[in-house]
Amino acid sequence: AQKITQTQPGMFVQEKEAVTLDCTYDTSDPSYGLFWYKQPSSGEMIFLIYQGSYDQQNATEGRYSLNFQKARKSANLVISASQLGDSAMYFCAMREGMTGNQFYFGTGTSLTVIP
Amino acid sequence: KAGVTQTPRYLIKTRGQQVTLSCSPISGHRSVSWYQQTPGQGLQFLFEYFSETQRNKGNFPGRFSGRQFSNSRSEMNVSTLELGDSALYLCASSSPDGNTEAFFGQGTRLTVV
Repeated sequence: AQKITQTQPGMFVQEKEAVTLDCTYDTSDPSYGLFWYKQPSSGEMIFLIYQGSYDQQNATEGRYSLNFQKARKSANLVISASQLGDSAMYFCAMREGMTGNQFYFGTGTSLTVIP
Repeated sequence: KAGVTQTPRYLIKTRGQQVTLSCSPISGHRSVSWYQQTPGQGLQFLFEYFSETQRNKGNFPGRFSGRQFSNSRSEMNVSTLELGDSALYLCASSSPDGNTEAFFGQGTRLTVV
């Protein structure tokens, strides 16, 4: 079974609107971390936001927030007030355990912001 | 604070050759991992190093190897290159202390012809 599932290959959003990128995960480890990364065409993976499995509150970082629904095993990324520079691939990733660098990645969502 | 640095950025090699890629993590980070990204397979974990020891390894053939030095810099080597090894190779570094962030380099784009 896939550890991380992103079901939206491509998404479009109007500039200044909010958009939600979906991510579901599968793990039996009670300790895990969920990450979102942005990958522009240059290739670099840019860290956006992190949510730990024991965190009670949803994570927020500026215009990014993570809608964490543990029972449903979902970790959706919400981008508010979209900007043209947000056009990129977005990857959801999971790390089992609380440390280390072994990530499971989803297939990504290509986001296009329309002026 | 400098980010994760990968060298070279671009590389073209011939089938059968070998290649070495380098990754310098963020200062103070001791955990380094490598990923291969291709259009067909997506992002796949290669291996992880911590304090010069390989901690985890992905499902890749023995042609793929790596190491980490005492200053936490890491190298990965691919021997007997195949056309299918053409990919973007990404390196990530993080602090070992309950890290809530992991930072990636810009990657090395390897083309095998």
